[in-house]
Amino acid sequence: AQSVSQHNHHVILSEAASLELGCNYSYGGTVNLFWYVQYPGQHLQLLLKYFSGDPLVKGIKGFEAEFIKSKFSFNLRKPSVQWSDTAEYFCAVKAGSYQLTFGKGTKLSVIP
Amino acid sequence: ETGVTQTPRHLVMGMTNKKSLKCEQHLGHNAMYWYKQSAKKPLELMFVYNFKEQTENNSVPSRFSPECPNSSHLFLHLHTLQPEDSALYLCASSPWTSGDPKNIQYFGAGTRLSVL
Repeated sequence: AQSVSQHNHHVILSEAASLELGCNYSYGGTVNLFWYVQYPGQHLQLLLKYFSGDPLVKGIKGFEAEFIKSKFSFNLRKPSVQWSDTAEYFCAVKAGSYQLTFGKGTKLSVIP
Repeated sequence: ETGVTQTPRHLVMGMTNKKSLKCEQHLGHNAMYWYKQSAKKPLELMFVYNFKEQTENNSVPSRFSPECPNSSHLFLHLHTLQPEDSALYLCASSPWTSGDPKNIQYFGAGTRLSVL
């Protein structure tokens, strides 16, 4: 079975700091990768996705993620965070016939 | 607004109560899902429906009973729950349930359930 590991449970940053959230998955075949974001009191929404092609994908609100196949990783990055980025971020993997599998999530708190 | 609406947003129930959660999607999708979101745990897939037929039950206790009368509506009937069932229950929908990577799931805002 596939699994997803997110390294950090809670990250606290000041505004304008750079962000990198780690995500590793376990599956040896072709994968489709997603980052979802859940703002306080709101629904999970898709931030970005990787299906194939350029391993550096850009999403909404200035986020990007890089797929490194050799490291089984799909880390999320943003050069300069804002207070409005305070949310919980979930990495998810879909592979083969498995359903979408989520990591435990990383809470990001941005201090003004 | 995602096009997936869940009601109620909050629910408090006793262990002997019977209640139902409702999910409605306005996206024309054919697949619907129930997830359980607990603190410090990954989202747990509970049930999957495709064209009104249940295609997956992830070893969910029988005190949770799903119902999908049509492709737009999904219910989760609850009875004799335990305090450890307190969680955020999320509904999602997608065009279908195949392995097509473009089959992206859209989520509702969830129902926060507290079992006393």
